[in-house]
Amino acid sequence: NAGVTQTPKFQVLKTGQSMTLQCAQDMNHNSMYWYRQDPGMGLRLIYYSASEGTTDKGEVPNGYNVSRLNKREFSLRLESAAPSQTSVYFCASSEGGTTNEKLFFGSGTQLSVL
Amino acid sequence: SQQGEEDPQALSIQEGENATMNCSYKTSINNLQWYRQNSGRGLVHLILIRSNEREKHSGRLRVTLDTSKKSSSLLITASRAADTASYFCATPTSGTYKYIFGTGTRLKVLA
Repeated sequence: NAGVTQTPKFQVLKTGQSMTLQCAQDMNHNSMYWYRQDPGMGLRLIYYSASEGTTDKGEVPNGYNVSRLNKREFSLRLESAAPSQTSVYFCASSEGGTTNEKLFFGSGTQLSVL
Repeated sequence: SQQGEEDPQALSIQEGENATMNCSYKTSINNLQWYRQNSGRGLVHLILIRSNEREKHSGRLRVTLDTSKKSSSLLITASRAADTASYFCATPTSGTYKYIFGTGTRLKVLA
């Protein structure tokens, strides 16, 4: 099992460019999440999807959009990248259904916006 | 936000010593989880303690939870160089699947 797979692993963008971060899980999980990690800030939740067909805002949703394409895939889109979006992005998934469950993380995407 | 706060921010110990890190949170919780992150990698789940539990063990890990003080501690006994990592606590926002993470403790174990 691959678990949670994120692509790309690294990306450099110019201010104003757009891009989509891809995430897929093969564990048949219902819930999926996007976090960003900045030095000294820990992980902050951008968006999450409790189940296929639903998405909700997290702590820092501004400047991002998400799509839960199907049960396996949850993408994060930056429509017009800004230097403040330079960060490491992590996708995660969980079984869903209760809150007493653990998250499984991908290996991250390191994004630099110049 | 219901973000947990870990303390200390950084900790450096000798191999074989015990490492203790603490987490405080703000509101009522169903459970609290601890995760480890090795440099440049994703987070890995270590242990989950439910709100009706006071202590839980997993190998060299011991977690305590004090809901009256809204705090938890993670103890790693007989630490090894391989335990060098950042450790985060996480709590689900009440009634949702939104897991909020703390800022983490960076642990360095010196061989």
